[in-house]
Amino acid sequence: EVQVVESGGGLVKPGGSLRLSCVASGFTFSNFGMSWVRQAPGKALEWVSSISGSTTYIYYADSVEGRFTISRDNAKNSLSLQMNSLRAGDTGLYFCARDKGYYDTTGSSPFDHWGPGTLVTVSS
Amino acid sequence: DIQITQSPSTLSALVGDTITITCRASQTISSWLAWYQQKPGKAPKLLIYKASNLETGVPSRFSGSGSGTEFTLTISSLQPDDFATYYCQFSRTFGQGTKVEIK
Repeated sequence: EVQVVESGGGLVKPGGSLRLSCVASGFTFSNFGMSWVRQAPGKALEWVSSISGSTTYIYYADSVEGRFTISRDNAKNSLSLQMNSLRAGDTGLYFCARDKGYYDTTGSSPFDHWGPGTLVTVSS
Repeated sequence: DIQITQSPSTLSALVGDTITITCRASQTISSWLAWYQQKPGKAPKLLIYKASNLETGVPSRFSGSGSGTEFTLTISSLQPDDFATYYCQFSRTFGQGTKVEIK
């Protein structure tokens, strides 16, 4: 059974840092691109960042470019998101999601397996 | 950038109704549209990919159609478990969401 589980969320002050982790099981991790998607309270889903299986391709939303860094360790079936210079607008539930593998002309895929999410709160 | 506009934002319906949610793209996106269902406090669930392909395990009362710039998600014979928020997605952009609530 495919499973992804996030961890690392918490309360952090504006300007602070946090590192999110996602551990995957039930599939060959290195064969799949992975992404982070977030959701502010009461708001729509917002894509944050994606990384290909071999780490060749990495993408960031404009809102986090230069502040967040996505990485993966295929030997440990793990995905990470290092978040620096955090702002109140970064508050939300952060989901780790697996690419389904149907890539469009922009190199993006729908997400077929999601974790339950980890909550990040940026507040003084 | 291609913009995605989802409508309506809220939809009230009864169990047994057939409902339709629409997503429009500002430029043609071929059939590269996906639909998700999300319940409060839970992760989204993929329902439809490539506009009309039903994800494994999703009931057949869910269907997707469209290509180019206009797409629809139809839920036939709405069930109590279907009251949720639905999102469309193209590339790295999600629609604004449609909350389906009980009338």
